[in-house]
Amino acid sequence: TQLLEQSPQFLSIQEGENLTVYCNSSSVFSSLQWYRQEPGEGPVLLVTVVTGGEVKKLKRLTFQFGDARKDSSLHITAAQPGDTGLYLCAGFSGNTPLVFGKGTRLSVIA
Amino acid sequence: NAGVTQTPKFRVLKTGQSMTLLCAQDMNHEYMYWYRQDPGMGLRLIHYSVGEGTTAKGEVPDGYNVSRLKKQNFLLGLESAAPSQTSVYFCASSLREFYEQYFGPGTRLTVT
Repeated sequence: TQLLEQSPQFLSIQEGENLTVYCNSSSVFSSLQWYRQEPGEGPVLLVTVVTGGEVKKLKRLTFQFGDARKDSSLHITAAQPGDTGLYLCAGFSGNTPLVFGKGTRLSVIA
Repeated sequence: NAGVTQTPKFRVLKTGQSMTLLCAQDMNHEYMYWYRQDPGMGLRLIHYSVGEGTTAKGEVPDGYNVSRLKKQNFLLGLESAAPSQTSVYFCASSLREFYEQYFGPGTRLTVT
């Protein structure tokens, strides 16, 4: 069974701080997707990474796929209250359904 | 362009009752999925469909049935609801299999 471990589970920071959340597995994935979910809504796709070592930027968010395609990180620079939400990573290996991590719940306090 | 819509948004059922959750997408996606989300458990795949007329089991299919009679619709049925099926249910669709999914707003189901 493929598992994706996300850390930390919870994170509460002040506006303007930087943070990094992690998504780790012992399995290799052909692609890894990051979603953000706000309370009462469905997850919304942020980015997909497919190449080992790939780095993608989305404004203040930087996503990196590990060289071995087993892990990924999300770094947020100068966090804002609008970044508050549940961040989910999801891995696809190509021969089994998408596997979701349990998420990191981020709270950015103004 | 509504994306993915789900009805109803909320529902309370008594144990043993049945119901159907409807998911509709207007993006002409081949692939559709049903997930449940529970505290501490993350999103778990119930059933999915790779095209009109097809369905497949996911991680937690027991107690649920699905149908995909039209490409744009994916129905999730509970024949005899149990309290363990209390959850938030999300439908999603995608252009490619398990790639970049678009989620609906969810249905919050409580079974008493």
